Amino acid sequence: GIQVEQSPPDLILQEGANSTLRCNFSDSVNNLQWFHQNPWGQLINLFYIPSGTKQNGRLSATTVATERYSLLYISSSQTTDSGVYFCAVEGSTDSWGKLQFGAGTQVVVTP
Amino acid sequence: DTGVSQDPRHKITKRGQNVTFRCDPISEHNRLYWYRQTLGQGPEFLTYFQNEAQLEKSRLLSDRFSAERPKGSFSTLEIQRTEQGDSAMYLCASSPDGVKEQYFGPGTRLTVT
Repeated sequence: GIQVEQSPPDLILQEGANSTLRCNFSDSVNNLQWFHQNPWGQLINLFYIPSGTKQNGRLSATTVATERYSLLYISSSQTTDSGVYFCAVEGSTDSWGKLQFGAGTQVVVTP
Repeated sequence: DTGVSQDPRHKITKRGQNVTFRCDPISEHNRLYWYRQTLGQGPEFLTYFQNEAQLEKSRLLSDRFSAERPKGSFSTLEIQRTEQGDSAMYLCASSPDGVKEQYFGPGTRLTVT
């Protein structure tokens, strides 16, 4: 099946800093989603972005499908941005809806 | 518009007992997914329903696991003869027909003692 690698595994930021999270995947994809998992375990949808660029407030994401990677940008980070960020993909040869998650990036934003 | 709901949110059980979890998808979402997440890992796919039909099952879903969606609305996931290795967060997601973006519920955290 498709492999998903996220980097860095851990990130410590001071409030107000910018950061970039990366997701590499091993095959072409039909679906790519970025999630933020809060301390209670809820997965919050950030972006559905199998290709192209999207922005939502201080967050933006870019997926370059031909080069098999996606980037999540966090600007002017806030303490509420702390948590684990997951990239999840559905490979083109996988069954519908079978999302493969990366191991996540643990983000800690300090005041 | 309410999101995906799951019940219970937490379950503590003794090894060998059976447990059942419920998931209610977003209204009119006919696709429903179950995932399992162990500590420090990303969620792993377990199974997928389109309406009441179970279309895909992971090898992770051993014979002790069974999932149903009898009327194409809510779904249940049952684990028989629980083992300590079953301790995990069980997540449910849903999506409407023809849409790939999945929306997740809050999860059920299972602890097997």
